[in-house]
Amino acid sequence: NAGVTQTPKFQVLKTGQSMTLQCAQDMNHNSMYWYRQDPGMGLRLIYYSASEGTTDKGEVPNGYNVSRLNKREFSLRLESAAPSQTSVYFCASSESGHRDEKLFFGSGTQLSVL
Amino acid sequence: GDSVTQMEGPVTLSEEAFLTINCTYTATGYPSLFWYVQYPGEGLQLLLKATKADDKGSNKGFEATYRKETTSFHLEKGSVQVSDSAVYFCAPLSGGSNYKLTFGKGTLLTVNP
Repeated sequence: NAGVTQTPKFQVLKTGQSMTLQCAQDMNHNSMYWYRQDPGMGLRLIYYSASEGTTDKGEVPNGYNVSRLNKREFSLRLESAAPSQTSVYFCASSESGHRDEKLFFGSGTQLSVL
Repeated sequence: GDSVTQMEGPVTLSEEAFLTINCTYTATGYPSLFWYVQYPGEGLQLLLKATKADDKGSNKGFEATYRKETTSFHLEKGSVQVSDSAVYFCAPLSGGSNYKLTFGKGTLLTVNP
């Protein structure tokens, strides 16, 4: 029952460093998402991928890039980390992004940028 | 796009108390409505949903009714347990947001024994 798996669970970066957050799902879902969660802000969508080979910007895409490597995997890259990117990052997936579907979430990556 | 106004927390209750968490929304067209729950240290998971007016979503003793006339989807539970301590998120889903969930800010519920 793996569901959505995110790595790493915790990461500390210095300003200007780069890193990639990994996400994989084993439910054969078409759509995948990256959210960030900040205190008092709820979850905000960074990028999403409606299907393999496509990606689109969400509400807060600046400073991030994504890659839908295959149907299972969707990675999030910070090219030059900034303190404002300190957050908890969640990957999610859904079968096809239709209006009645539920999202399945990973357990999150806690990122601190010093 | 869609927007959500959710009851500010934190909410602290004693076990077996009645719970209401208010949620109102603005959305284009006819949204589906969801409540997600986040237990400590975990990702979000779907608690319940409703897809048309007057529908009642229910799960684990929680209920919420889709009120189109008041654009509300308040979450209720008659008798909370310590294990219900979590953060609760209201979220509409509509074509106005390109069918991407718009989450409220979340309401932290703590239930004391």
